[in-house]
Amino acid sequence: NAGVMQNPRHLVRRRGQEARLRCSPMKGHSHVYWYRQLPEEGLKFMVYLQKENIIDESGMPKERFSAEFPKEGPSILRIQQVVRGDSAAYFCASSPGQGGNEQYFGPGTRLTVT
Amino acid sequence: SQQGEEDPQALSIQEGENATMNCSYKTSINNLQWYRQNSGRGLVHLILIRSNEREKHSGRLRVTLDTSKKSSSLLITASRAADTASYFCATDPSRNQGGKLIFGQGTELSVKP
Repeated sequence: NAGVMQNPRHLVRRRGQEARLRCSPMKGHSHVYWYRQLPEEGLKFMVYLQKENIIDESGMPKERFSAEFPKEGPSILRIQQVVRGDSAAYFCASSPGQGGNEQYFGPGTRLTVT
Repeated sequence: SQQGEEDPQALSIQEGENATMNCSYKTSINNLQWYRQNSGRGLVHLILIRSNEREKHSGRLRVTLDTSKKSSSLLITASRAADTASYFCATDPSRNQGGKLIFGQGTELSVKP
């Protein structure tokens, strides 16, 4: 039973380019969460999605960031016109149900903006 | 505002000793979870304790929860070099829309052989 998959594991982008991060949840999980981790810090919640729905995006920056979880395929976190401050590790987690459950984390995507 | 805060920020012990990490939080919670992160890797779930539980064990791990003090502790007994990692507490707030976790800054544990 494969765990949460994220790709790419490392992504380098120049300022102004777009970054696309993908997350495939564990089999049978329909709840996906994205978190961002800056160096030497804990994880900060960004967005919570179910299939075709954004449930909670209270942690998403208002501009340049978007997320989706289509009916088919992985969840995508998209960052447009990246800036140096976007450099971080982005983790995806999935759970089988809403709230009260442990979340299973992927290995993360390390984004470096040059 | 910071929900979970771990204490200490860093802890260095010898193999075989016990390691205790503490976490404090601000709002009422449904549950509190502890995770481990090895350097440069993803998070591994260790244990979940619900708001109506006071203590939970899993192998060499013991977690306590005091909702009146809004605090939790993680005890690792008979530590090993392989326990070297960062440990995070994460809370699932009671008024949560859907299960997002609020993480603390973490405790960096170093176990010397």
